[in-house]
Amino acid sequence: DAGVTQSPTHLIKTRGQQVTLRCSPKSGHDTVSWYQQALGQGPQFIFQYYEEEERQRGNFPDRFSGHQFPNYSSELNVNALLLGDSALYLCASSLARGPQKKNIQYFGAGTRLSVL
Amino acid sequence: AQKVTQAQTEISVVEKEDVTLDCVYETRDTTYYLFWYKQPPSGELVFLIRRNSFDEQNEISGRYSWNFQKSTSSFNFTITASQVVDSAVYFCALPLSGGSEKLVFGKGTKLTVNP
Repeated sequence: DAGVTQSPTHLIKTRGQQVTLRCSPKSGHDTVSWYQQALGQGPQFIFQYYEEEERQRGNFPDRFSGHQFPNYSSELNVNALLLGDSALYLCASSLARGPQKKNIQYFGAGTRLSVL
Repeated sequence: AQKVTQAQTEISVVEKEDVTLDCVYETRDTTYYLFWYKQPPSGELVFLIRRNSFDEQNEISGRYSWNFQKSTSSFNFTITASQVVDSAVYFCALPLSGGSEKLVFGKGTKLTVNP
């Protein structure tokens, strides 16, 4: 049973560039959430995708956008990168239906983004 | 507003010691879930437990136990006979609202278990 997979594991970009991070959810899951984790902090919710639409969004600017594909995988795009965007980006998947599994998010190992 | 406070930033123990990680939360919901996750150096957040606010019974899973006290808004986590492999950052979390999957995390407690 494959868990949540993210790619790439590490990425180095310069200010102003754009980046795309990818996530494949745990087998059987249909919902993907993205979190940003700065060094020494807890993860901060960016947004969530379900049925290929953004369902919820945290306090992040429009430079952060995403997409969910028919196979439930997802991408996170960040435009006009700032130094402050350097962080670990975590993807979490969950199952929208089914009382036993609802609300439990399973996380990937993340993509470490460094903006120079 | 939803808030999770983990006052212990770092804890260091010697192997086989018991250790308790504290979590205090604030919520406007009458029913809610609480979560604990573990983040080893690899970075992946590993789900440990989900507790429903209806159920105040303590839960034990192997060396792990959780003490949920609604009256004090606390959900503490104890590791008995700690091992070096328990070294990680531990996060307590609750949903933004009762039905939301958006999690609000504490800042985490870094646990180091020394041999």
